[in-house]
Amino acid sequence: EVQLVESGGTLVQPGGSLRLSCAASGFTFSDYWMSWVRQAPGKGLEWVANIKRDGTEIYYVDSVKGRFTILRDNAKTSLYLQMNSLRAEDTAVYYCASGRCANGVCYRSYFDYWGRGTLVTVSS
Amino acid sequence: QSALTQPASVSGSPGQSITISCTGTSSDVGAYNYVSWYQQHPGKAPKLMIYEVSDRPSGVSNRFSGSKSGNTASLTISGLQAEDEADYYCSSYRNSNTQVFGGGTKVTVL
Repeated sequence: EVQLVESGGTLVQPGGSLRLSCAASGFTFSDYWMSWVRQAPGKGLEWVANIKRDGTEIYYVDSVKGRFTILRDNAKTSLYLQMNSLRAEDTAVYYCASGRCANGVCYRSYFDYWGRGTLVTVSS
Repeated sequence: QSALTQPASVSGSPGQSITISCTGTSSDVGAYNYVSWYQQHPGKAPKLMIYEVSDRPSGVSNRFSGSKSGNTASLTISGLQAEDEADYYCSSYRNSNTQVFGGGTKVTVL
């Protein structure tokens, strides 16, 4: 059974830092692009960042560039999001999501497996 | 980075068909076939329903279908059922190696 389990979300003050983790199991983690997608309370989905299977390509939405860092450890089948200089507008549920692999091709643009999310609240 | 444009809400009676539009630009929906659709029930994680404009992952009902014309993609739900009541999001690859979602559409089964 595929599982993605996020952790690390909590209440943090503006300007603070936080590291989210996502533990993956039930699929060949090292084959997949991985992403973080967030959802502010009562709002829609927003793609945050993604990382290629071997970590050689990394991309971010403009609003987090220079503040967030996505990382992965294929040996530990884990994905991370280091978040610095947090702002109130970063308040959201953060989902870990995999790309899609089918027929020997792995895509970054589709989010196949999702975790249940972890809530990050940025407030004083 | 602006989101793709979706109607805020769509409704239909059981058994009817509804269509949700997703309008982008020549930098995303119009340029690539990397369009996907997600269903999200309240308090739950999203679920992939359609990828590559019109393909369905295994296990997704064939009542769900996707298409694209120019800068606009569409999701059609036929034979509407109570369990289809949820929020739906489109997504597309966009120039410069980024991904963008639509603002979401709330589907109500009357």
